[in-house]
Amino acid sequence: QLQLQESGSGLVKPSQTLSLTCAVSGGSISSGGYTWSWIRQPPGKGLEWIGYIYHNGITYYNPSLKSRVTISLDRSKNQFSLKLTSVTAADTAVYYCARDPGRSLSGGVIISSGMDVWGQGTTVTVSS
Amino acid sequence: EIVLTQSPGTLSLSPGERAALSCRASESVSSNYFGWYQQKPGQPPRLLIFGTSSRANGIPDRFSGSGSGTDFTLTISRLEPEDSAVYYCQQYNYSPLTFGGGTKVEIK
Repeated sequence: QLQLQESGSGLVKPSQTLSLTCAVSGGSISSGGYTWSWIRQPPGKGLEWIGYIYHNGITYYNPSLKSRVTISLDRSKNQFSLKLTSVTAADTAVYYCARDPGRSLSGGVIISSGMDVWGQGTTVTVSS
Repeated sequence: EIVLTQSPGTLSLSPGERAALSCRASESVSSNYFGWYQQKPGQPPRLLIFGTSSRANGIPDRFSGSGSGTDFTLTISRLEPEDSAVYYCQQYNYSPLTFGGGTKVEIK
């Protein structure tokens, strides 16, 4: 059974770079998912999609964060990563990684099917 | 960006009752790209419904989804105590992917 585990810096100073990694176990990052996402949740608030990376390396980012975000894949380590630059207190949140397995429609087209596996989340606090 | 508005904000019902949660989109969303999640305190979200009406693996059949265009509904047919949670709708038709603000379901 595929599992995800976030790791990285829990405390980041303002203006610095937040770096997180999501380790994939129980499956291959190259074939075990359609897209791999990062989502965050500020304390007491709702969910915000940060971006995702396809199994082929193509990325899509939330325009509200696009200038500061990079998501990358490391197939050799079976993991994907998030970098968020120039952080402020507004970036304080629980950060989750998640997998969308995709599903096939008739004709062999594969489409998104929602995020069915999530990591437990890691809390990142931005503070000096 | 497609804005998803969920109502009501909070639903307080007794075990065995039926819950209907609404999600309205600011623009039409394909039914192939709409889902619902359940989140309990201290836990990540859990996928309940994908493609508007398909239950994810292991989800009890008391959970059902329906809708099209801009109006979608999650129905819990017979509430159980463990259904106490916040429920989020999500569209993944257009980037950026967006979530609704959530409906909190309380079991009396």
